Amino acid sequence: KQEVTQIPAALSVPEGENLVLNCSFTDSAIYNLQWFRQDPGKGLTSLLLIQSSQREQTSGRLNASLDKSSGRSTLYIAASQPGDSATYLCAVRDTNAGKSTFGDGTTLTVKP
Amino acid sequence: GAVVSQHPSRVICKSGTSVKIECRSLDFQATTMFWYRQFPKQSLMLMATSNEGSKATYEQGVEKDKFLINHASLTLSTLTVTSAHPEDSSFYICSAGGSSEQYFGPGTRLTVT
Repeated sequence: KQEVTQIPAALSVPEGENLVLNCSFTDSAIYNLQWFRQDPGKGLTSLLLIQSSQREQTSGRLNASLDKSSGRSTLYIAASQPGDSATYLCAVRDTNAGKSTFGDGTTLTVKP
Repeated sequence: GAVVSQHPSRVICKSGTSVKIECRSLDFQATTMFWYRQFPKQSLMLMATSNEGSKATYEQGVEKDKFLINHASLTLSTLTVTSAHPEDSSFYICSAGGSSEQYFGPGTRLTVT
């Protein structure tokens, strides 16, 4: 059974800092990995999707890496802003038509 | 990207009543949809896999007679919470996707009083 762990559970940084969120998974036989953002009381916003054959994806100030063999992914946020404050979830998909297993998330607070 | 909608976005019902939540894929056909549940300050947990034209597959610990899933067409899956109780109050999110990305609906917040 796939298990997904996110570290740290919570993170507070001053505005402008670069930061890294971590996601690890137990079964390396994944199809893809997706990072989401969730604001309080809201649904999911997809940030980055990495296919199992890819090593990283970039979108603006966000960069996600994937090391499938070690079961790890990182989300790098450059020059953090207060608007980045949210919970970040990683989700691992097991097959091309399969379910996603979510980590518990990292709650990020960026202080002005 | 593809869009998945849910209706209603919020619902309040009395204990003992049933509530139906709809999940629609608006611009693509989905043979499989997924239903997740999220309790406050927790992550999403898969409840069941909805298969078009066949029975849903439920995760361990999820009561199939309580959470009825119907996937009658390639664009619509419904989740009915029967005889709802306050402990069923949660955020319910559906997803659908093809061979690559999964697209998630905006969620339905259910409150059972």
